[in-house]
Amino acid sequence: GQQVQQSPTSLVLQEGENAELQCNFSTSLNSMQWFYQRPGGSLISVFYNPSGTKQSGRLTSTTVIKERRSSLHISSSQITDSGTYLCAMEDGTGGYKVVFGSGTRLLVSP
Amino acid sequence: AQTIHQWPVAEIKAVGSPLSLGCTIKGKSSPNLYWYWQATGGTLQQLFYSITVGQVESVVQLNLSASRPKDDQFILSTEKLLLSHSGFYLCAWDRGGSDYTFGSGTRLLVI
Repeated sequence: GQQVQQSPTSLVLQEGENAELQCNFSTSLNSMQWFYQRPGGSLISVFYNPSGTKQSGRLTSTTVIKERRSSLHISSSQITDSGTYLCAMEDGTGGYKVVFGSGTRLLVSP
Repeated sequence: AQTIHQWPVAEIKAVGSPLSLGCTIKGKSSPNLYWYWQATGGTLQQLFYSITVGQVESVVQLNLSASRPKDDQFILSTEKLLLSHSGFYLCAWDRGGSDYTFGSGTRLLVI
């Protein structure tokens, strides 16, 4: 079945450094979405980005369908960026099946 | 504006007891609704989805069932809980084009 691999598993940065999070998927996709998972578990949508590049403030997401990958770039990281980032894709074979990556745990220290 | 509400926020239940988790969405007619589960430290897994009242599709079998009794309501349940049911349950709807929004979740501990 569809597989989604995120890398790195964890990342430690000093405040001000940039972060690049990757998501690779094994088959065709219908959509790609990045989420931030709060320590309590709830999810906040960061980007809905099925293809191309989107930017919002310090965050940029790029999805390249042909290469079966999506990335989330965080520039000038801040302590409040710390947390777990998840990517999720909807299977492109049809239906409403969504597969999540296992996440990247980001820690930004002062 | 659309809102999604899950209940309860948290539960501690005994093995073998029944469970019912609820999800309601307001402000959106005929939403596509989803249930997800995440074991502690684990990956989010899609359990069920429903695109219309009375119809539910299972994605992963975890000895759970789901129902959609109303257009705005999605229920996750089981008659007998297992230890392995512990975790975090999330309900979601999609805004169309597969742009998902999640509820705040229910944390379940089975003892």
